[in-house]
Amino acid sequence: DTGVSQDPRHKITKRGQNVTFRCDPISEHNRLYWYRQTLGQGPEFLTYFQNEAQLEKSRLLSDRFSAERPKGSFSTLEIQRTEQGDSAMYLCASSSVTGVWTEAFFGQGTRLTVV
Amino acid sequence: AQKITQTQPGMFVQEKEAVTLDCTYDTSDPSYGLFWYKQPSSGEMIFLIYQGSYDQQNATEGRYSLNFQKARKSANLVISASQLGDSAMYFCAMREGNTGNQFYFGTGTSLTVIP
Repeated sequence: DTGVSQDPRHKITKRGQNVTFRCDPISEHNRLYWYRQTLGQGPEFLTYFQNEAQLEKSRLLSDRFSAERPKGSFSTLEIQRTEQGDSAMYLCASSSVTGVWTEAFFGQGTRLTVV
Repeated sequence: AQKITQTQPGMFVQEKEAVTLDCTYDTSDPSYGLFWYKQPSSGEMIFLIYQGSYDQQNATEGRYSLNFQKARKSANLVISASQLGDSAMYFCAMREGNTGNQFYFGTGTSLTVIP
């Protein structure tokens, strides 16, 4: 399967713990996005990479959040000192730069529950 | 101001009937793209259709069509011949030409197809 892959699919963690999520984009895509989606809401933008460069970060991305994309391939999103408010679905998406309006392809998400 | 507004939290449609899901957008950028995604209960965002701001004709993809009214800043999704598998959340999204770095999503519409 050559779609966007996210791991893990589900994560339950205790408040205060650190968690890390991984996203493997479609191989030829050089744009990668992280979004957060809470219940009953649409996805909210967190950050964006073009190749290995992190070009944009949302205000939602507090200093407890960090994202990397070494070598422009897979990406990781780490949340330090998790809080209950971090409970959400974390979605990764990728797209190519071949066209201005190319759609983004999403993974199935990582559902985080902070207890 | 919200970039994307979806005013229908929930919609019901009889199987085999057509349904329109509303979306209005707000941008001052003359160049933008509008997208519709489907999110079934499994969580994955599935791309359905897109419309570029300079496209003269409304986009169509199989049973999906986009009713693009530029002056009204609306981009409604029309699903014809509804099927039970169409039951899902539907999100309207926009990318702007000047930045193009992120997709802005609406709050979604939950569609239920009734047999």
